Amino acid sequence: NAGVTQTPKFRVLKTGQSMTLLCAQDMNHEYMYWYRQDPGMGLRLIHYSVGEGTTAKGEVPDGYNVSRLKKQNFLLGLESAAPSQTSVYFCASKDRGSNQPQHFGDGTRLSIL
Amino acid sequence: AQSVTQLGSHVSVSEGALVLLRCNYSSSVPPYLFWYVQYPNQGLQLLLKYTSAATLVKGINGFEAEFKKSETSFHLTKPSAHMSDAAEYFCAVSDRSGYSTLTFGKGTMLLVSP
Repeated sequence: NAGVTQTPKFRVLKTGQSMTLLCAQDMNHEYMYWYRQDPGMGLRLIHYSVGEGTTAKGEVPDGYNVSRLKKQNFLLGLESAAPSQTSVYFCASKDRGSNQPQHFGDGTRLSIL
Repeated sequence: AQSVTQLGSHVSVSEGALVLLRCNYSSSVPPYLFWYVQYPNQGLQLLLKYTSAATLVKGINGFEAEFKKSETSFHLTKPSAHMSDAAEYFCAVSDRSGYSTLTFGKGTMLLVSP
């Protein structure tokens, strides 16, 4: 059981380039989330989805877009990368019910030069 | 709005000593609370959760946490630290809404010396 899988694991981009981060979960979870982790900042929510075809903004959504075309996949896009988006990105998924925990992937380390 | 405060960005203990990592929260409704652990270059792993059943919650790897409503705290403890406990620990509060978003503290790095 793979759980939550993020691809790629590492990426270096130049300022202004675009890319898409892929998150896939095999637990049939309804809810999925994208976070960024920066030193001393904890995890901050970028966007989330409570079902196929639905997305919503989190705490730090600017500069990012997301799509949830299939229940098992949640894509995070950077249209024009900026150095401030250098971070470690984590995807998470969870079952319905607010007492259910989120399950995390291993992260994508993204550097913007 | 919810918030989580973790006191101390770094905590150092000796192997075999008590581990105490502090977490205070603010929430307008009774919260659900979680502790996660992150080992280097890995994702977050659930240690334990409080969901309004027992106030003393036992988790994996010998950790436990006690929910104290009067103190708005959910401190994480372990009686005897092991070298393998060295990691970063995050406390998080759920908003209990249908969206179940988490608000994380900034994390506490636990250092264990021999």
